[in-house]
Amino acid sequence: DSGVTQTPKHLITATGQRVTLRCSPRSGDLSVYWYQQSLDQGLQFLIHYYNGEERAKGNILERFSAQQFPDLHSELNLSSLELGDSALYFCASSVGNGGWYEQFFGPGTRLTVL
Amino acid sequence: GNSVTQMEGPVTLSEEAFLTINCTYTATGYPSLFWYVQYPGEGLQLLLKATKADDKGSNKGFEATYRKETTSFHLEKGSVQVSDSAVYFCALSDRAGNNRKLIWGLGTSLAVNP
Repeated sequence: DSGVTQTPKHLITATGQRVTLRCSPRSGDLSVYWYQQSLDQGLQFLIHYYNGEERAKGNILERFSAQQFPDLHSELNLSSLELGDSALYFCASSVGNGGWYEQFFGPGTRLTVL
Repeated sequence: GNSVTQMEGPVTLSEEAFLTINCTYTATGYPSLFWYVQYPGEGLQLLLKATKADDKGSNKGFEATYRKETTSFHLEKGSVQVSDSAVYFCALSDRAGNNRKLIWGLGTSLAVNP
């Protein structure tokens, strides 16, 4: 158990819909990272927040947005969903602001868009 | 820019065989190097790391040596077990640049047969 929690575990929805994925980092960790993992694209870094502020963006679509709240939990919002958005979405946390800190991954949310 | 190149999988071995997964990198500064592992149905977890040239990271029988002269960080294990079946990701992080995120390889799938 990494100490990172993600909800829900599974999500099934239809094209055009909007969903919110939630992540609670390990106690004491200030950084939250979001990743998308699919069979055809592999592991894609989406976005990084540190202590409530956005610090880095990766291959995140404009239809996707995220935020980190004062209690340090984070939400990833996916809107106007398409079939190609079906994937595993991972959240990871680390204590510091930089890729050299060990990242602890949650169990993931499996999103299926029908 | 910084990048990581891993050997393509899948790699299939018999139990007790020797494992090498190649990883080479391109970086402008002095990166830290990592191997993360993803077991079936789980999130990624840090396997080992090295922070400077000639450092050897080791964990669970796996080893990797930071070779600056060949810009490599190959993962090795002398005798693999069925339980080592997983996807292995090489990654780097450069403290020197403004880009503080982790740069990921595409992952190498390993299947170990009994």
